[in-house]
Amino acid sequence: GEDVEQSLFLSVREGDSSVINCTYTDSSSTYLYWYKQEPGAGLQLLTYIFSNMDMKQDQRLTVLLNKKDKHLSLRIADTQTGDSAIYFCAEDAGNNRKLIWGLGTSLAVNP
Amino acid sequence: ETGVTQSPTHLIKTRGQQVTLRCSSQSGHNTVSWYQQALGQGPQFIFQYYREEENGRGNFPPRFSGLQFPNYSSELNVNALELDDSALYLCASSLVGREYNEQFFGPGTRLTVL
Repeated sequence: GEDVEQSLFLSVREGDSSVINCTYTDSSSTYLYWYKQEPGAGLQLLTYIFSNMDMKQDQRLTVLLNKKDKHLSLRIADTQTGDSAIYFCAEDAGNNRKLIWGLGTSLAVNP
Repeated sequence: ETGVTQSPTHLIKTRGQQVTLRCSSQSGHNTVSWYQQALGQGPQFIFQYYREEENGRGNFPPRFSGLQFPNYSSELNVNALELDDSALYLCASSLVGREYNEQFFGPGTRLTVL
């Protein structure tokens, strides 16, 4: 079946690193995505990783993919208060590339 | 480049009524997907339209229907509204043929069913 799981809450201090974890079930997913949702705003694509990659770095963001364990993580270095938001992990599934989403991890950054 | 827009931003309806939500795709995009996001949940895929045809559907009943127009704008129609239909409805546009499936989301329509 299709299921994406994430921890619901994470609290970090400003300047620390944040690590948000996700597990997925569809081994045929081609791409995995991290989206950010701020209050009153739409979903914003942060980064993505192709399923045959282990790691992708994009400025402060590092994505790690363990395909064997179907585990995905997002590391945010030097976390800032502006990073406070809900972060969603999503996988694309099926021929129509529909996105299957986790419940989201609410990141709180404390000054 | 114009982003994805949705209308209205908020809507209040009563049980049994019908509602139409609208979405304008980002310029150059040929695919639109609709998602329902209940409070505290992740988005749930409703359906996707490509070249005016439905191109996949999630686990939603037939009273959820849609249209895509030649200019790639789209509508989501919900008949016989139920209380559980209260949610944020998100529209996302994308370009089929692109290497990865980057979907650009609109701000959503908040539907409240009383």
